[in-house]
Amino acid sequence: AQSVTQPDIHITVSEGASLELRCNYSYGATPYLFWYVQSPGQGLQLLLKYFSGDTLVQGIKGFEAEFKRSQSSFNLRKPSVHWSDAAEYFCAVGAQGFQKLVFGTGTRLLVSP
Amino acid sequence: KAGVTQTPRYLIKTRGQQVTLSCSPISGHRSVSWYQQTPGQGLQFLFEYFSETQRNKGNFPGRFSGRQFSNSRSEMNVSTLELGDSALYLCASSGGQTTDTQYFGPGTRLTVL
Repeated sequence: AQSVTQPDIHITVSEGASLELRCNYSYGATPYLFWYVQSPGQGLQLLLKYFSGDTLVQGIKGFEAEFKRSQSSFNLRKPSVHWSDAAEYFCAVGAQGFQKLVFGTGTRLLVSP
Repeated sequence: KAGVTQTPRYLIKTRGQQVTLSCSPISGHRSVSWYQQTPGQGLQFLFEYFSETQRNKGNFPGRFSGRQFSNSRSEMNVSTLELGDSALYLCASSGGQTTDTQYFGPGTRLTVL
């Protein structure tokens, strides 16, 4: 069965500092991997996705993620965090042609001044 | 293009009642998926519709049902509401050039009293 683990429930980062959010997945075949962000009371916004090819993918808002098959990881990074990045971040795994996403439990990012 | 829209945004019902939520996908998208988000269970897949047919189903009781119309708009229905059905219900659509990427609406916040 597919599963996604986000080990950090909360992370606090100073504004301007770098950020890395961890995501580990379990999936038997080639996974389709996603990062979404959710602001309070809002839906999910797609940050980036990985299907195949270059293992370092660029997304919106200056985010990037690296797929590491050997570690079953898809960590999200940003070199310099802005106060507006404070939100909840979800990692998800899916499969080609299969519209069911399995989500991690999310990481809440707090940005301190 | 307009994004995924969901109506209503907020809903308050009492136990035992039934409720219908509506979702309009991005123009050209034929797949619509529904998710339930709660603090305790996180984001869970309910079902997916494609061309008016349920293609995938999550592990929810039969009180949760859905349908899709010929214009790809979708509705989900919950009968005999329970307190535990209080949640944010998210709709996502996929299709066109991005068949394996789901784009989410703002959600409907359902409160069951």
